[in-house]
Amino acid sequence: DSGVTQTPKHLITATGQRVTLRCSPRSGDLSVYWYQQSLDQGLQFLIQYYNGEERAKGNILERFSAQQFPDLHSELNLSSLELGDSALYFCASSGPAGNYGYTFGSGTRLTVV
Amino acid sequence: GEDVEQSLFLSVREGDSSVINCTYTDSSSTYLYWYKQEPGAGLQLLTYIFSNMDMKQDQRLTVLLNKKDKHLSLRIADTQTGDSAIYFCAVPTLGGGADGLTFGKGTHLIIQP
Repeated sequence: DSGVTQTPKHLITATGQRVTLRCSPRSGDLSVYWYQQSLDQGLQFLIQYYNGEERAKGNILERFSAQQFPDLHSELNLSSLELGDSALYFCASSGPAGNYGYTFGSGTRLTVV
Repeated sequence: GEDVEQSLFLSVREGDSSVINCTYTDSSSTYLYWYKQEPGAGLQLLTYIFSNMDMKQDQRLTVLLNKKDKHLSLRIADTQTGDSAIYFCAVPTLGGGADGLTFGKGTHLIIQP
């Protein structure tokens, strides 16, 4: 157990639907990162939050949004889902300086049918 | 932007040494990382090296850093079947803040009996 908790582990949904993925960071970590992993694109950085504020944005589609709550857990919202959104979505967390890398959760596997 | 390159596949015989290579274009000077992803799991921090070091050894793992050539390598001695996984190189993103990381696409390590 890495200390980063992601729910749900698996999600199957239809095209056009909206889903919410949840992440609880490791205790004491202020930063949360969201990544998408697919076979063709590899590991793509989506977005980072630090202590409730958006800090960096990567290749995140406009249909996707995220937020970090006062208790530091984060949610990634994916809407108007397309078949190509099927992927593994990882959350990671790090401490204030991030010098010891990220701690990853075990991911949510999203399948859009 | 940052570009981190890795070979997609490496095949070695059990008992031999594996050397996984990574090149990067830009990096701020802090830590550089190797992550391991086993099937169906999240990324696990394997080891890291501080940018003022040339080499770091940790049991069967040796990390070599050539800052001039922007080349990072991971050597696994006496490769075992349990080492079969995807290995990701990650370097600090230039201008990405104190804790931004850019990941390579990952090298699939395949162990032949």
